Amino acid sequence: KNQVEQSPQSLIILEGKNCTLQCNYTVSPFSNLRWYKQDTGRGPVSLTIMTFSENTKSNGRYTATLDADTKQSSLHITASQLSDSASYICVVSETGGSYIPTFGRGTSLIVHP
Amino acid sequence: DAGVIQSPRHEVTEMGQEVTLRCKPISGHDYLFWYRQTMMRGLELLIYFNNNVPIDDSGMPEDRFSAKMPNASFSTLKIQPSEPRDSAVYFCASSRASGNNEQFFGPGTRLTVL
Repeated sequence: KNQVEQSPQSLIILEGKNCTLQCNYTVSPFSNLRWYKQDTGRGPVSLTIMTFSENTKSNGRYTATLDADTKQSSLHITASQLSDSASYICVVSETGGSYIPTFGRGTSLIVHP
Repeated sequence: DAGVIQSPRHEVTEMGQEVTLRCKPISGHDYLFWYRQTMMRGLELLIYFNNNVPIDDSGMPEDRFSAKMPNASFSTLKIQPSEPRDSAVYFCASSRASGNNEQFFGPGTRLTVL
């Protein structure tokens, strides 16, 4: 069964600090991995997509990494801001077959001033 | 484009009543998804459509749930009769038939069943 596990479940940091969120998956065969950001009261929005051949991808202060061998991904946030407070959801898709991606349960990040 | 539009944004109803949630996907998108989100279970896929045809409804929890997509610009999710355990945020999302399959989510409908 395809699974996506995220850690930690929740995280509290001070503004300006860095943090790293983890995602482990068992989805196979692998197609791509997305990180979504979900602000309170809104729908998730895609931050970045990683394909099999990509190891690192940046989107401003967000940097995602992918290790397809160990089936792990991380999302690193640099110099956190109050607006980074949100839930971050890891979503993994498989090639061919089902079009349905597998969602992690998300990491809730709170950035305090 | 205005993005995915959902209505209502909030719905409070009593147990046993019928609830209808509505969604307008982004124009030109071939896929439409209905999700339910709770604190305990996160995002769960209920059903998805491709070109207005239901493809997989295995996530629909019970016969009380039904979804339709009469045309490319409109879909409904109906719960009849509603129960308190149906309380959740329901999201609609749409995407193109492309390899990267990014889904664009609506703002959600927060449903409370008393």
